[in-house]
This record gives sequence, C-alpha cells and structure tokens, in this order.
Amino acid sequence: DTEVTQTPKHLVMGMTNKKSLKCEQHMGHRAMYWYKQKAKKPPELMFVYSYEKLSINESVPSRFSPECPNSSLLNLHLHALQPEDSALYLCASSQVIKTGRGHTEAFFGQGTRLTVV
Amino acid sequence: SQQGEEDPQALSIQEGENATMNCSYKTSINNLQWYRQNSGRGLVHLILIRSNEREKHSGRLRVTLDTSKKSSSLLITASRAADTASYFCAPEGHNAGKSTFGDGTTLTVKP
Repeated sequence: DTEVTQTPKHLVMGMTNKKSLKCEQHMGHRAMYWYKQKAKKPPELMFVYSYEKLSINESVPSRFSPECPNSSLLNLHLHALQPEDSALYLCASSQVIKTGRGHTEAFFGQGTRLTVV
Repeated sequence: SQQGEEDPQALSIQEGENATMNCSYKTSINNLQWYRQNSGRGLVHLILIRSNEREKHSGRLRVTLDTSKKSSSLLITASRAADTASYFCAPEGHNAGKSTFGDGTTLTVKP
C-alpha cells in the first residue's frame, strides 16, 4: 500500500467554524508533513512530524493546529480561518534515514480543497 | 532558505521532443527530489538523487546533479501529451529535516 489518504476531498467552512483535515498512511513512514498550496504556486511547508513529534513549524498561525495521534495518522485542526486560507492542503509522508542523512522520497495525498467563506 | 529555483518557468514543446528543466539551490544538500503535479492534484514523486550521485535514470527520465554548481536538471525524452504538468525540484538541505519546493516549471506538450 503506497497511498496517502486525505479526507475530506473538498471542504467549505465559515470563518467561525471548527473543522479537521485527516491524513492516513500505512507505509510505516515516520515523517509526515502538511503543505498548503495556492493556485499556480508551489506547495508551502507548514508542519513536519518526525516519530510522532512536531519537529518543524514554519511559523504557521495558531488557527492551524496539527496533531499526530499515532504513526499512521496526521490531523490538521482548523479554527477561525480567514478567506485567504482557502487553498489545497496536501499531506505527505516519508521514511526517515536514521543515519541523519535526511529522508526518502515523499508520498503525497490528493489533497483537501478548502474554501473559507 | 534551501528553496530550489526552476528554470524555465514555462516550457512548450511538441510531442516526441525532449524537455529539459533546471533547478538551482543555495546550500549543501542531503538529496534533491523531482516531483510532477497535474493540475489541482497531489504531487507524484519522480526521482530522488543523493548528494553523492551524479546521474539517475528512470524510464524516459534522466536527472543529473552537479553539487559544485549547486544545480540539477531533469530531462524527459520523447515527450508525450500526458507529460503535460508542473514539475518541481525539492532540495533537502543538510540538517534541515525538510525539502522545500521551488516555483516549478510548467510543461505543455502539444500533440
């Protein structure tokens, strides 16, 4: 199984709503990522989890709250978002090379298309 | 920042022709990865090349890495209309723990 599954595929939410994006992988990968991608732009890294611990937060506003309940799951909790947060949110996973020489290739989900109204 | 910078930004070719995209980066790396993205969908990993490698092949894809020039290239041979997509390089810097995408090259292959 080389899939990263993201749900939901589409989400429309109001600025006062609370919602969560979910990501799941069963490849045994110990690094998981959230990216945000606006139209015609490259993916921008938001968060990295390594061995279920948050290792990188790219100065993301607190209205985005990541959670890694176990090695297969990654959530992104959303609260009080703004219309400019509308984007494609991508989850990815990769293996960590324990010798400290980085990561293997990342596998991406198909993304959640988020619209904030 | 270890963000890659792709060149050209856009490339339009006829089916059957070769397409070459270039990527430059700033600091030393563990590896450099190339990804493809069809419009509005997730990214697909193409090739990972490590810092001690100079060239890798996968089917019609050929990637080179020149660490002295801090640059990489992706060559797609005998292009097909289905190769139409955006292509991104993602260098992973030493001790960075992450790969960062460049702006990408948008490739259009005309039938």
